[in-house]
Amino acid sequence: DAGVIQSPRHEVTEMGQEVTLRCKPISGHNSLFWYRQTMMRGLELLIYFNNNVPIDDSGMPEDRFSAKMPNASFSTLKIQPSEPRDSAVYFCASRGQGYSGANVLTFGAGSRLTVL
Amino acid sequence: GNSVTQMEGPVTLSEEAFLTINCTYTATGYPSLFWYVQYPGEGLQLLLKATKADDKGSNKGFEATYRKETTSFHLEKGSVQVSDSAVYFCALSDSSNTGKLIFGQGTTLQVKP
Repeated sequence: DAGVIQSPRHEVTEMGQEVTLRCKPISGHNSLFWYRQTMMRGLELLIYFNNNVPIDDSGMPEDRFSAKMPNASFSTLKIQPSEPRDSAVYFCASRGQGYSGANVLTFGAGSRLTVL
Repeated sequence: GNSVTQMEGPVTLSEEAFLTINCTYTATGYPSLFWYVQYPGEGLQLLLKATKADDKGSNKGFEATYRKETTSFHLEKGSVQVSDSAVYFCALSDSSNTGKLIFGQGTTLQVKP
């Protein structure tokens, strides 16, 4: 199992540009989570999906952020337009249903975004 | 609302020293409690967990006991190694089984040879 795969690992962009982060969850996992990590705010849950359906997006900072999960093996987090304060590490995590390790999330390696 | 509070770091120890990282929580119902570890440049990895009061989670020499009376889940290790240097996160998930985790701020551990 390759684990949760995120791309790109590093992204440097200029303010105003569109950014798309990608995530491939572990095969068979039916819940997917997007977290953001910053020094000031720590780890924040942005949005999570269950069976490809967005369940709770209350953590999405503003309308510039959007997330989709078109199928069970792929999700995107898009920022348009990007701003310097969006600079952070974005983590994707997945969880399997009925997994003996209840509520155990498996995290990807993260996408480090720098907006200049 | 639910929250997790960890002791502030960084924590600097010599190899083979005893480690304690304090974690307390606020939650309604019966949350599950977790410790995750993040090595430099990597994502978070589950270190250990406990799902009910008085449960002890353990892994790789680390232990934590779910104390409902003190709402705590302190992480301990009897003898740390340089390779334990990382950021440690305490987290809780509520009893709704959504999978949502609420994390503490993280505690950086640096172990010197």
